[in-house]
Amino acid sequence: EVVLTQSPDTLSLSPGERATLSCRASPSILSAYLAWYQQRPGQAPRLLIFGGSNRATGIPDRFSGSGSGADFTLIISRVESEDFAVYYCQHYGSSPPTWTFGQGTRVEIK
Amino acid sequence: QITLEESGRTLVKPTQTLTLTCTLSGFSLNTGGVGVGWIRQAPGKALEFLALVYWNDDKRYNPSLKSRLTITKDTSKNQVVLTMATMGPVDTGTYFCAHTTCSVSSCHRVFDSWGLGTLVTVSS
Repeated sequence: EVVLTQSPDTLSLSPGERATLSCRASPSILSAYLAWYQQRPGQAPRLLIFGGSNRATGIPDRFSGSGSGADFTLIISRVESEDFAVYYCQHYGSSPPTWTFGQGTRVEIK
Repeated sequence: QITLEESGRTLVKPTQTLTLTCTLSGFSLNTGGVGVGWIRQAPGKALEFLALVYWNDDKRYNPSLKSRLTITKDTSKNQVVLTMATMGPVDTGTYFCAHTTCSVSSCHRVFDSWGLGTLVTVSS
């Protein structure tokens, strides 16, 4: 079973700064099945990125995903006030068929 | 517009069985490629996949919780029901249902629409 480890646990940034979030998979995975979600306080998660690098409908282009194999990255080019939230990576694996989430990275206001 | 709404008892006693219903709108579980899953979140913790049912009644379960979970669909009511047996305090949390879909050209196994969630508390 795949384990996703996100880092850092918390990222303290000022608005306008660049955010770099990491998701490490063990064992290595296909990027086609790697996604990122944003969860604001008291809200449901929202799909940001699917297939490792594809933005979901309505997601601003300041969000970008990249990576392959064991290392994946979510970048927010210039953090805005609405981006302060918790971010989760997620993988779908077929053996056994299940969905796995990372433990999350909190992006907070510095 | 796709929407999902969770409902069910919000307070259960230890050892009881939890039953949650997800009511679907804007899509049908009769449509090929569509699935509805349940994901939970303990207070202050990460998301955890529980179970999912596809349009063709194919089902998937979290291997570590499989013995306690049952997921069913009622397409005539546009609902998906999750039961979880032998509830304990560690099962306290918010339970979400979510939509997924696959097409011939694109199948990334993601949850692209979510319900607001329902908070379940396990306490005597």
